[in-house]
Amino acid sequence: GESVGLHLPTLSVQEGDNSIINCAYSNSASDYFIWYKQESGKGPQFIIDIRSNMDKRQGQRVTVLLNKTVKHLSLQIAATQPGDSAVYFCAETTNAGKSTFGDGTTLTVKP
Amino acid sequence: GAVVSQHPSWVICKSGTSVKIECRSLDFQATTMFWYRQFPKQSLMLMATSNEGSKATYEQGVEKDKFLINHASLTLSTLTVTSAHPEDSSFYICSARDLQGTDEQYFGPGTRLTVT
Repeated sequence: GESVGLHLPTLSVQEGDNSIINCAYSNSASDYFIWYKQESGKGPQFIIDIRSNMDKRQGQRVTVLLNKTVKHLSLQIAATQPGDSAVYFCAETTNAGKSTFGDGTTLTVKP
Repeated sequence: GAVVSQHPSWVICKSGTSVKIECRSLDFQATTMFWYRQFPKQSLMLMATSNEGSKATYEQGVEKDKFLINHASLTLSTLTVTSAHPEDSSFYICSARDLQGTDEQYFGPGTRLTVT
């Protein structure tokens, strides 16, 4: 069946370093992807999105890369801060707004 | 920005009772809302799509008679967990899609349900 998964369940980085979180998806027909950040006990928070007609999109300190050839998505966080510590999910979203979430990567930022 | 609220934020109930969770879009209208369930250290799993004025669409494996969804207005959807059991204990999260806006979904803060 269709699924969205993450390569690594945990990631630990030093404050100030760059972080890269990866995601693999299996539905080649997917055309919209979103990265979310979820802090403990809270709902997901939108970070950045990308459509399949793009291969890169940049936001404030974040960049999402999409490689449709290998069905891979990544989130890069520049100058990672302690406040970035959270669980990060990629989600594949249909035009109807229905999202399939990956397993999540726990990012821990060490001061 | 768009805000989605949930009420209650947490609830403890006894096995066999029913619990209603509300999801409200505070500053926008949403014809479509989504209900997710998240177990500890797991991902969000879509339970159902709530459509204003019509029946909800449930995902495979989700019992529609157990998880009753009502989307009576463009700003409110409710999820009722009927005859709750300890295995229904979970974090329930809703999201709403802005009728006028982009494809972005706005998530609520979640409701922690504990069934004893």
